[in-house]
Amino acid sequence: AQSVTQLGSHVSVSEGALVLLRCNYSSSVPPYLFWYVQYPNQGLQLLLKYTTGATLVKGINGFEAEFKKSETSFHLTKPSAHMSDAAEYFCAVSDQAGNEKLTFGTGTRLTIIP
Amino acid sequence: GAVVSQHPSWVICKSGTSVKIECRSLDFQATTMFWYRQFPKQSLMLMATSNEGSKATYEQGVEKDKFLINHASLTLSTLTVTSAHPEDSSFYICSAPPPPLYNEQFFGPGTRLTVL
Repeated sequence: AQSVTQLGSHVSVSEGALVLLRCNYSSSVPPYLFWYVQYPNQGLQLLLKYTTGATLVKGINGFEAEFKKSETSFHLTKPSAHMSDAAEYFCAVSDQAGNEKLTFGTGTRLTIIP
Repeated sequence: GAVVSQHPSWVICKSGTSVKIECRSLDFQATTMFWYRQFPKQSLMLMATSNEGSKATYEQGVEKDKFLINHASLTLSTLTVTSAHPEDSSFYICSAPPPPLYNEQFFGPGTRLTVL
């Protein structure tokens, strides 16, 4: 069985500050890890994903995440927050590279302070 | 990119009635679609996998007689909440696996169901 824990249901950062959203996973098989963003009244959009290879993954909108097997973590970061980054972020895990049957975390709402 | 739509975006119904939610892949064919349920401040939970031309596969604990899924065509899957009760109130989201030339799953915008 797989599970995902996102620490902090709400995170607030000032515009221009570092964004750090935490995600820890549990998986009995090598995991495939994903970060999705959800804007109000819109579907989930893939930010980035880790399947194999390089553990530092770069995604859209300046986000990146690093897979750390020893820490079972896949934290999402962005060096400088922008107002348009305000949204709900979901970490997810799958045992299939085609990202079917995702197991999601509870989500983190990111607020950007002007 | 590929687009998945849902209709309606929100619905309010009386207890005991049935509600149908549609999920469409607008510019690609999907032989499989996934249905998720999201409670407030909780994660998305996979309810079932709909398969075009065959029966849906339900996750453990999901009542198949309560949540009827029909994959009528390669672009349409429907979820019917039968004899809805207030505890069925939730946010329902569908998704389709990556179509050819894409490597990501595409999600619909969700349907907010409120049962009075």
